[in-house]
Amino acid sequence: AQKITQTQPGMFVQEKEAVTLDCTYDTSDQSYGLFWYKQPSSGEMIFLIYQGSYDEQNATEGRYSLNFQKARKSANLVISASQLGDSAMYFCAMRDVEEDSSYKLIFGSGTRLLVRP
Amino acid sequence: ETGVTQTPRHLVMGMTNKKSLKCEQHLGHNAMYWYKQSAKKPLELMFVYNFKEQTENNSVPSRFSPECPNSSHLFLHLHTLQPEDSALYLCASSQDRGGILNYGYTFGSGTRLTVV
Repeated sequence: AQKITQTQPGMFVQEKEAVTLDCTYDTSDQSYGLFWYKQPSSGEMIFLIYQGSYDEQNATEGRYSLNFQKARKSANLVISASQLGDSAMYFCAMRDVEEDSSYKLIFGSGTRLLVRP
Repeated sequence: ETGVTQTPRHLVMGMTNKKSLKCEQHLGHNAMYWYKQSAKKPLELMFVYNFKEQTENNSVPSRFSPECPNSSHLFLHLHTLQPEDSALYLCASSQDRGGILNYGYTFGSGTRLTVV
């Protein structure tokens, strides 16, 4: 069963505006971690932000913030003041305890963000 | 060098060739991973190594053979591949401490493989 869902295959945003990238997840565990990665055309996956399931505050890292709604099982990424360099693929990922007690990082299908000048 | 380094960046190989992908991390991490990223598909975890021991093989065909000689190096040996194996192969590493979930992965830039 798919555990991470990103429903927006592609998004446009005007430079300097804010944009929200959606992510919902499914887990029966109480303890889990949520991550967002950025993948530019070069291919490298760049870590952006982390939210733990027990964290009471929404995570923030510079222009990135994570809108964590635990009851709704959503972890949307908000990018403020978009820049042209933000154009990339964005992946939501989750790490929880698997049936075999491993702690794999599972990714969603990604959202391609294009920032317009 | 720091981070995770993958070589080569690009590789074109015939279906009868044998080649190897290399991954090296200088972060002191104890776990390493191979992921496959095909067009329009989520990243697929292929192999997991913890302390040099393979702990995960996600039903990967035997034409992909991983090797982890030490905790800093990871190889993916390729032989008799198919055109559908063409993809971006990403290596990642992490510092796993039994049950702590806030350790994300550090990724390399990937090897873009084309099988002809």
